[in-house]
Amino acid sequence: DIQMTQSPASLSASLGETVTIECRASEDIYNGLAWYQQKPGKSPQLLIYNANSLHTGVPSRFSGSGSGTQYSLKINSLQSEDVASYFCQQYYDYPPTFGSGTKLEIK
Amino acid sequence: EVKLVESGGGLVQPGRSLKLSCAASGFNFNDYWMGWVRQAPGKGLEWIGEINKDSSTINYTPSLKDKFTISRDNAQNTLYLQMSKLGSEDTAIYYCARESSLGYYVMDAWGQGASVTVSS
Repeated sequence: DIQMTQSPASLSASLGETVTIECRASEDIYNGLAWYQQKPGKSPQLLIYNANSLHTGVPSRFSGSGSGTQYSLKINSLQSEDVASYFCQQYYDYPPTFGSGTKLEIK
Repeated sequence: EVKLVESGGGLVQPGRSLKLSCAASGFNFNDYWMGWVRQAPGKGLEWIGEINKDSSTINYTPSLKDKFTISRDNAQNTLYLQMSKLGSEDTAIYYCARESSLGYYVMDAWGQGASVTVSS
């Protein structure tokens, strides 16, 4: 299975700041990467697919980038509603696997 | 509005079985692959498996293949997860999810989750 290493495990930032979450795959996943947001007590929601494509309805302050084994999720102008855990998922290879998550809090 | 509602969770003794259901509405259920993902308390997400539109293809993550069975009833717009020989390691929230047309294993709609606790 492809291992997904996500960092940092937790992150605290101020409103209006820009934050970046990283995800590293154990081998090349050819942009087969999605990002999900999970707000406290809720189910995950798709944010980004194909590494850099914004899912319908997701605010444009979210963006994804990367290639090969290294990917990142950037959140511009942090809002209070962005408090959540964020997970990356590779779907290039079977079985799909997730990163361990990043918990984002407001400072 | 796309809606997925899981049911059937609860407390179950070790070694017993449990069947979860997921009722779908707001979209044409027959047109989508569906899957299950679980999340142990305070932990990350684990993909369990998926089923194609007409149930002719069912895939599982290898480590869970002998424990879980996924099925669907398109006439009832319902997805199922049969779990057997449950152990404490299976304590988790179980989510049903719709696989997007955007890519295999990309899940664009999730249920609220069904909580399963395995304990004597």
